[in-house]
Amino acid sequence: NAGVTQTPKFQVLKTGQSMTLQCAQDMNHNSMYWYRQDPGMGLRLIYYSASEGTTDKGEVPNGYNVSRLNKREFSLRLESAAPSQTSVYFCASSEVGLAGVIGETQYFGPGTRLLVL
Amino acid sequence: AQSVTQLGSHVSVSEGALVLLRCNYSSSVPPYLFWYVQYPNQGLQLLLKYTTGATLVKGINGFEAEFKKSETSFHLTKPSAHMSDAAEYFCAVSDRGYNQGGKLIFGQGTELSVKP
Repeated sequence: NAGVTQTPKFQVLKTGQSMTLQCAQDMNHNSMYWYRQDPGMGLRLIYYSASEGTTDKGEVPNGYNVSRLNKREFSLRLESAAPSQTSVYFCASSEVGLAGVIGETQYFGPGTRLLVL
Repeated sequence: AQSVTQLGSHVSVSEGALVLLRCNYSSSVPPYLFWYVQYPNQGLQLLLKYTTGATLVKGINGFEAEFKKSETSFHLTKPSAHMSDAAEYFCAVSDRGYNQGGKLIFGQGTELSVKP
């Protein structure tokens, strides 16, 4: 039981390049999330998916797109990377469904460190 | 809308001393509250959470937190700090809006240092 896995662990991009961050969970969770972590700002939600086939914007969605490929996988794409997107990106999952089961724990992956030059 | 404020971005204590990390929240509905810990170069893991029931919540590694509605607070404490407690701690509140997928709103984080 690997929990939440993320690839790659570290990436360097040049401004304007594109890349996709991959996330997978093996806990059969309905909901998945992408956060970015910047010093002094805590974690900010980029996008989330409350269930397979649905995605919604979070607090800071500009410059990103997501795909909920299936129940296990939720990818984050940077179409044209900018230095402002230098950050640590975390994927998380939770057993929360559309019926509004709330208060459930979110489980986090180890993170992807992204540097945009 | 919910929000979380953590007082103090850095807290330093001596080994064996009391740990107190402060968290205040704003919520228009009864909140669900969480404390997460992040060790260097790792993801976040849950320390404890409050949903309903007893307002004093015990978590892993000897930490506990008390939900005080009148003070809109959910401070994290540990009676005796250990070197291994050095980490960053995040307080979070759950967005309880309908069909919000259990979104969490995080505070800015507090880095705890433990001196020998």
